[in-house]
Amino acid sequence: LAKITQPISMDSYEGQEVNITCSHNNIATNDYITWYQQFPSQGPRFIIQGYKTKVTNEVASLFIPADRKSSTLSLPRVSLSDTAVYYCLVGAYNTNAGKSTFGDGTTLTVKP
Amino acid sequence: DAGVTQSPTHLIKTRGQQVTLRCSPKSGHDTVSWYQQALGQGPQFIFQYYEEEERQRGNFPDRFSGHQFPNYSSELNVNALLLGDSALYLCASSLARYEQYFGPGTRLTVT
Repeated sequence: LAKITQPISMDSYEGQEVNITCSHNNIATNDYITWYQQFPSQGPRFIIQGYKTKVTNEVASLFIPADRKSSTLSLPRVSLSDTAVYYCLVGAYNTNAGKSTFGDGTTLTVKP
Repeated sequence: DAGVTQSPTHLIKTRGQQVTLRCSPKSGHDTVSWYQQALGQGPQFIFQYYEEEERQRGNFPDRFSGHQFPNYSSELNVNALLLGDSALYLCASSLARYEQYFGPGTRLTVT
C-alpha cells in the first residue's frame, strides 16, 4: 500500500493561491492521484484527479512530477468557503480499491 | 438527480450489539464502496460491491459484512460492536470510472 504524507494544517488569506503537497513515495504504476475536499459532517467531495504532469479543471490544478512520488494540489484565489480538510488518495480504486490509500488530510483555514 | 444517500444519519449502539447501515448510490452507478473514517483520520476502505458481489476487501475483520441488492443499493452490517467501531461510515458509488461520489455518512457511536 502507498504510504501517504500530507501537512496536518495550513493557513491562508482570502484571494491567495494555496498549494498543498502530498508525498507518496511507493506509488504503483497503475495508481492515480485524487484529491477530495471534506467539510464537517459531510462526505468527501471530488476535486481533481490525475496520473502524471498537470491537470486543470474549473476549481483546481494538480501538478505531478515525472517520478510521481509527490503531487501538489493548487487552489487559485481561495475564499473563506474553501476552509475544509483536503485529502489525497492514491490508488486505482475502482479496479483495485482495497489497495487505495487516503492520507490523513490537511486542514486548510482561510482567513479574511 | 439525487446523489448518494445514507441512513440513518446518526446511531448509538451498545457494545456487543449489531448494526445495519444503508446506502443508495447515485442514479446510474453500479458500484458501491464502504469506508470507515475515525475522527481526525482519512477514510479507510472496508469493501466494495459490484453486481451484488464483494469485489474488493480492505483490512477489516469478518464482523464487517455487506450486501448489494439488484437495485444497486447496499447495506453494511457490523456484528459484536466494539468501542473502537465508533466512527463515520461513508458510502461511495461509481460507474466503471475512477471518480467516486461519497454520501454524507452515518455517525456510529458505540457506548
